[in-house]
Amino acid sequence: DQQVKQNSPSLSVQEGRISILNCDYTNSMFDYFLWYKKYPAEGPTFLISISSIKDKNEDGRFTVFLNKSAKHLSLHIVPSQPGDSAVYFCAASTYSGNTPLVFGKGTRLSVIA
Amino acid sequence: DAEITQSPRHKITETGRQVTLACHQTWNHNNMFWYRQDLGHGLRLIHYSYGVQDTNKGEVSDGYSVSRSNTEDLPLTLESAASSQTSVYFCASSDSQLYGYTFGSGTRLTVV
Repeated sequence: DQQVKQNSPSLSVQEGRISILNCDYTNSMFDYFLWYKKYPAEGPTFLISISSIKDKNEDGRFTVFLNKSAKHLSLHIVPSQPGDSAVYFCAASTYSGNTPLVFGKGTRLSVIA
Repeated sequence: DAEITQSPRHKITETGRQVTLACHQTWNHNNMFWYRQDLGHGLRLIHYSYGVQDTNKGEVSDGYSVSRSNTEDLPLTLESAASSQTSVYFCASSDSQLYGYTFGSGTRLTVV
């Protein structure tokens, strides 16, 4: 039973345009969400996070939106750059309970120059 | 600089052999985790530890074990390697959920 779902295995976007990566979760106890970026032959690296008390968090070109009622979050990258080409993982946890992160299957983003 | 290192980076082993993957961190983090990454499955939790002498099973713990005798190390042992354990293994550490996990570069294990 997948608790964190990334239903798009891949996404292609032109350089300079917006990339939108989506993530859905089923566990209503999750209250902290993170996005990780992974390049080939490297470990995932933390990108941005959001707690359930917020509906938006912004860091430079990256913005994460959280819709608690829909159990949905999205990562927006504007403008997209070729260096953003990577696999993006959505992750969730119960921050207050300090449970381990549960990851989605990932979405491979290709930014085309 | 603090870091988290995994060794070896690549390993080929035979079915039935015992294999240990090393994970060493110098962040002084209490929390350490092992995940495996497979196509179509993303990152799945194998075992984790919240401190010395503490170990817990994750989603896919069967056939794996860990021990935590100090803060820096969390070795992952495959008791009797199986072809289904061919995967890329990632170790991670953290001090707080707030800042996410720091991952190692991974170990690619092939069981033949």
